[in-house]
Amino acid sequence: GENVEQHPSTLSVQEGDSAVIKCTYSDSASNYFPWYKQELGKGPQLIIDIRSNVGEKKDQRIAVTLNKTAKHFSLHITETQPEDSAVYFCAASRTLSSGTYKYIFGTGTRLKVLA
Amino acid sequence: ETGVTQSPTHLIKTRGQQVTLRCSSQSGHNTVSWYQQALGQGPQFIFQYYREEENGRGNFPPRFSGLQFPNYSSELNVNALELDDSALYLCASSSQNTEAFFGQGTRLTVV
Repeated sequence: GENVEQHPSTLSVQEGDSAVIKCTYSDSASNYFPWYKQELGKGPQLIIDIRSNVGEKKDQRIAVTLNKTAKHFSLHITETQPEDSAVYFCAASRTLSSGTYKYIFGTGTRLKVLA
Repeated sequence: ETGVTQSPTHLIKTRGQQVTLRCSSQSGHNTVSWYQQALGQGPQFIFQYYREEENGRGNFPPRFSGLQFPNYSSELNVNALELDDSALYLCASSSQNTEAFFGQGTRLTVV
């Protein structure tokens, strides 16, 4: 069945250090991989995404890498700041016949950035 | 803000009751997906509505049903509520080949 594994479940880093979160997916038809940040009491917010025809994407302090052969993708946050503290979710999605996406989420990583 | 609004934000229901949750999609989007997020877990796909029709369903029983209206807003209905239905219910608005934008969720507690 469709499954996304996410590690680690919790991650504490010192302010200014880097954080890396890793995900593995099972559905080989997955072609779109978004990452969401969820703060307490709020809905998930998209922070970066990558499509299957790209191996790496960067947006300021955030980067995502994708290895389709190994079915791995990772989120990298550099120069972490206290406001980066939140729960991060990866998702793997496939395109439905309508052209829309169905997301399978990982179990989440609670990131704590220590000042 | 995503422009996706959900109502109500919180509610408490008794086991066996029925509940309706509502979602207004973002302007220009024709697709609404519903997810259930248990405490400490990732969101689980319930189903998706595209142009007023169900367009994919996750591993949820038939007592979870939905509806999408001509303006693309949507409802999630849950019948015969069980204690395990207690969760945060999220709706996500999207269109073809676009990312999904989530609402703030409805926190449902079943007692």
